[in-house]
Amino acid sequence: ILNVEQSPQSLHVQEGDSTNFTCSFPSSNFYALHWYRWETAKSPEALFVMTLNGDEKKKGRISATLNTKEGYSYLYIKGSQPEDSATYLCAFSELPQRANSNYQLIWGAGTKLIIKP
Amino acid sequence: EAQVTQNPRYLITVTGKKLTVTCSQNMNHEYMSWYRQDPGLGLRQIYYSMNVEVTDKGDVPEGYKVSRKEKRNFPLILESPSPNQTSLYFCASTERGKVDTQYFGPGTRLTVL
Repeated sequence: ILNVEQSPQSLHVQEGDSTNFTCSFPSSNFYALHWYRWETAKSPEALFVMTLNGDEKKKGRISATLNTKEGYSYLYIKGSQPEDSATYLCAFSELPQRANSNYQLIWGAGTKLIIKP
Repeated sequence: EAQVTQNPRYLITVTGKKLTVTCSQNMNHEYMSWYRQDPGLGLRQIYYSMNVEVTDKGDVPEGYKVSRKEKRNFPLILESPSPNQTSLYFCASTERGKVDTQYFGPGTRLTVL
């Protein structure tokens, strides 16, 4: 059974501080790793998708790294702002075993980030 | 505007009363899926569809049905809802077979009494 673990489960950070959290996933048969941001009462929205070992992606103050050999990804937020408060979800997909199979995403439970003004 | 719509957004119902949650996307995506989200758990896939008239079970299909008669629509049907189906439901669509973004609907919060 494939499992994606995110830590910590929740995080309180002072406004202006930088922070990071982790997504762990199976290191074999890797295909892609996704990060999504989910604000309360809204839909999850894509932040990054990464496919190559060593990938680094950046969007404004948010960045992510990927290590497929050891099965982890970090999400970093620099200079946290109140609008960064959200749950950050990661999802893993493995190489499909057959043609036309489901590119199913296996989701972590998320890290809930709360920025204190 | 590219979007996925779901209706209703909120629903309180009673055990055994059939209901349908609609999902529609305007991006011409082939791949659509339904998830449920429960506290402390990741999104779990209920059913997915890789094209019109092609549907398959995800991880937690029991108690649910789907249909895909048109590319844009992918309704979720609960023939006889039970309290353990109380959850937050998301519909999502993406380009099939690609490492691509999933676009989520706004969610449907279902309570079964």
